Amino acid sequence: DQQVKQNSPSLSVQEGRISILNCDYTNSMFDYFLWYKKYPAEGPTFLISISSIKDKNEDGRFTVFLNKSAKHLSLHIVPSQPGDSAVYFCAASVGGTSYGKLTFGQGTILTVHP
Amino acid sequence: ETGVTQTPRHLVMGMTNKKSLKCEQHLGHNAMYWYKQSAKKPLELMFVYSLEERVENNSVPSRFSPECPNSSHLFLHLHTLQPEDSALYLCASSQDLASRRDTQYFGPGTRLTVL
Repeated sequence: DQQVKQNSPSLSVQEGRISILNCDYTNSMFDYFLWYKKYPAEGPTFLISISSIKDKNEDGRFTVFLNKSAKHLSLHIVPSQPGDSAVYFCAASVGGTSYGKLTFGQGTILTVHP
Repeated sequence: ETGVTQTPRHLVMGMTNKKSLKCEQHLGHNAMYWYKQSAKKPLELMFVYSLEERVENNSVPSRFSPECPNSSHLFLHLHTLQPEDSALYLCASSQDLASRRDTQYFGPGTRLTVL
């Protein structure tokens, strides 16, 4: 049973427009959510995170929104740049002694066209 | 070298071979992780080490054997693997396990093919 799902395998966006990547989860015990970005031949790199006590967290061009009632989070990138083209993974962790155990989604391939 | 490094980057092995994957972190972290990413599947956590002690074994078959001789090095020993074990194996580290909010830093991965 996949607890974190990214239902869109890919997304194509024009440079300068907004990219919206979506993620759904089923485990109501998750209380911390993260987005990672991965370029080819590199490991994932941390992008932005949000705690379940918040509904929005912003860092420059990147904003993560959390809707706990819908068990949904999204990553907004605005404006999108060609260098943002990568695979984006959402991840979640449970409170308490989670020992850094992250549950990942399958990833969404973002392509930003010049 | 900086960050998290993994060797080899690519590995092809037969089902009867024994090989090892190596991970080294140069960040002074105390926690290290092995993940597996199969084609079209999410990253799956395999093992977690904190201060060289294994704290998580996520129902991984015994043909995968981790070793953490010190807080900077992590190995994954492989023996009698199956073709379905072909995947990208990623190593990660974080400052410690005291806070789940510690960012995990990933290596570039080892692309393993089992023939």
